Amino acid sequence: DSGVTQTPKHLITATGQRVTLRCSPRSGDLSVYWYQQSLDQGLQFLIQYYNGEERAKGNILERFSAQQFPDLHSELNLSSLELGDSALYFCASSVGSRGSQETQYFGPGTRLLVL
Amino acid sequence: AQSVTQLGSHVSVSEGALVLLRCNYSSSVPPYLFWYVQYPNQGLQLLLKYTTGATLVKGINGFEAEFKKSETSFHLTKPSAHMSDAAEYFCAVSYNAGNMLTFGGGTRLMVKP
Repeated sequence: DSGVTQTPKHLITATGQRVTLRCSPRSGDLSVYWYQQSLDQGLQFLIQYYNGEERAKGNILERFSAQQFPDLHSELNLSSLELGDSALYFCASSVGSRGSQETQYFGPGTRLLVL
Repeated sequence: AQSVTQLGSHVSVSEGALVLLRCNYSSSVPPYLFWYVQYPNQGLQLLLKYTTGATLVKGINGFEAEFKKSETSFHLTKPSAHMSDAAEYFCAVSYNAGNMLTFGGGTRLMVKP
């Protein structure tokens, strides 16, 4: 158990809908990272927040957005969902802002299926 | 842009045999290198990482990896495979200038009895 929690574990929805994925980092960690794992794209970094502020951005679509709240939990919002958004979404956390050297601890993921 | 290549999407070994999972990266600057393991229906767990210092890095569960700058490689090895090692393994890189991990395509390790 990494100490990172994600809810829900599974999510089934329809095209065009909007969903929210939630992540609670390990106690004491200030950074939260979101990754998408799909069969065709592999594991891709989406976005990082550090202590409430966006710190780095990867291959995140404009239809997707994220935020980190004062209690440090984070939410990833996916809107206007398409079939291709079906994937496993991971959240990871680390102590500081320099994700490059730090160990990122991954949650169990949220499996999203868009029908 | 940095990239990571894992040779062999599937590797099969017999129990007790050597495990060798290959990882090469492309970079003009020194990277930080990681190996993660993903068991079925679970998140990723860090096996080991190289940031600076000794190029031979020992990790959990008997795994180790060696950073070879001249070969731009960071191959993962384990002397003797166990059935519980069956999982998917991901090599990843990051750089001082960035915070993200860039992952390879993953290698699924199968261990035969």
